[in-house]
Amino acid sequence: EVQLLESGGGLVQPGGSLRLSCTASGFTFINYGMAWVRQAPGKGLEWVSSIGDTDYKTYYTDSVKGRFTISRDNSKNKIYLQLSSLRVDDAAVYFCARLLNGFYNDWGQGTLVTVSS
Amino acid sequence: EIVLTQSPATVSLSPGERVTLSCRASQSVTNYLAWYQQKPGQAPRLLIYDASNRATGIPARFSGSGSGTDFTLTISSLEPEDFAVYYCQQRGSLPRTFGQGTKVEIK
Repeated sequence: EVQLLESGGGLVQPGGSLRLSCTASGFTFINYGMAWVRQAPGKGLEWVSSIGDTDYKTYYTDSVKGRFTISRDNSKNKIYLQLSSLRVDDAAVYFCARLLNGFYNDWGQGTLVTVSS
Repeated sequence: EIVLTQSPATVSLSPGERVTLSCRASQSVTNYLAWYQQKPGQAPRLLIYDASNRATGIPARFSGSGSGTDFTLTISSLEPEDFAVYYCQQRGSLPRTFGQGTKVEIK
């Protein structure tokens, strides 16, 4: 069974930083691209960033370029999202997802990031 | 950026009824479109990918169709567990984008 478990969310002040982690199990991690998708409270879904399986190629939505960094550690079956220069509008539940056929086939339960002074 | 517009925003129906949800793209995504279901407090679940392929474990009452810019998700006979919010999403180009969602609520 595929499992994705996010951690690292919390309360941070505007301008602050946070690192999110996602631990994967139940599949051969190195064979799959992974992604982060977020959902602000009461709002819709927004793709944030993706990373390739073995090429480690990274992609970002424009609003987080230069502030967020996605990475992966295939030896630990983990992906990360480093969030910096956080803004109030970055507050959301951040979901980790496994890519299959280019779409988000499996999702974690999410980790909540709150940005407030 | 490709904008996906879903309609209607909300639909009120009874169990057993048929529902068709629409997703229109601002430019062609060929068939690179998916549908997700999300219930309150839960992560989204992939229902349909590449416009018409059911994801693993998805019941046959869910079907998708369309290509280019116009897509539909049909639920042939609503079950109580189908009342939720549905999102479409494209992978035709970056950035990946989602529609704003359609809420299917109990009448």
